[in-house]
Amino acid sequence: AQSVTQLDSQVPVFEEAPVELRCNYSSSVSVYLFWYVQYPNQGLQLLLKYLSGSTLVKGINGFEAEFNKSQTSFHLRKPSVHISDTAEYFCAVYNQGGKLIFGQGTELSVKP
Amino acid sequence: DTGVSQDPRHKITKRGQNVTFRCDPISEHNRLYWYRQTLGQGPEFLTYFQNEAQLEKSRLLSDRFSAERPKGSFSTLEIQRTEQGDSAMYLCASSLVLAGINEQFFGPGTRLTVL
Repeated sequence: AQSVTQLDSQVPVFEEAPVELRCNYSSSVSVYLFWYVQYPNQGLQLLLKYLSGSTLVKGINGFEAEFNKSQTSFHLRKPSVHISDTAEYFCAVYNQGGKLIFGQGTELSVKP
Repeated sequence: DTGVSQDPRHKITKRGQNVTFRCDPISEHNRLYWYRQTLGQGPEFLTYFQNEAQLEKSRLLSDRFSAERPKGSFSTLEIQRTEQGDSAMYLCASSLVLAGINEQFFGPGTRLTVL
């Protein structure tokens, strides 16, 4: 069975500092991975996705993620965060049946 | 095209009442998904439709839950005899599946509170 584990439930960081949100996955089949962001009282917005090809994936709002097959990880990074990046971030794996399996989420809190 | 819309955005009901939520996907998207998100957790898959056919239901979807997509466009999710444990955000997503893996676009969700 496929699963996703987000290793940090909360990540506090100061504005303009770098951040890494960790995600590990478990899958016995081809892996397709996603990061979504959820702002308060809103739905989910796609940040980036890994389907194949280059293991370094660039997304919106300056975020990027690296697919590491040997470590079964897909960590999300941003070199310099802004107050507006404060939100909940979800890592997800695409199930062959068509649905997404999400991690528990990481709350990113950017402080001035 | 204004994206995926859901109605209502918030619903407060008393235990035992029935509720119905509506989702309007992005037009021409052939797949529609329902997820449930409880506080502090990631979304959990409930069910999905390919056009009007319901292709998969999670075991989370008890007999009190029913979903329809009668004409392959909008979808409704009904919960009968609501329980306090049904309190959650119900998210709808749609995608256009032609081949391979396609992005799911999410609506703003319906937040259900059962008193």
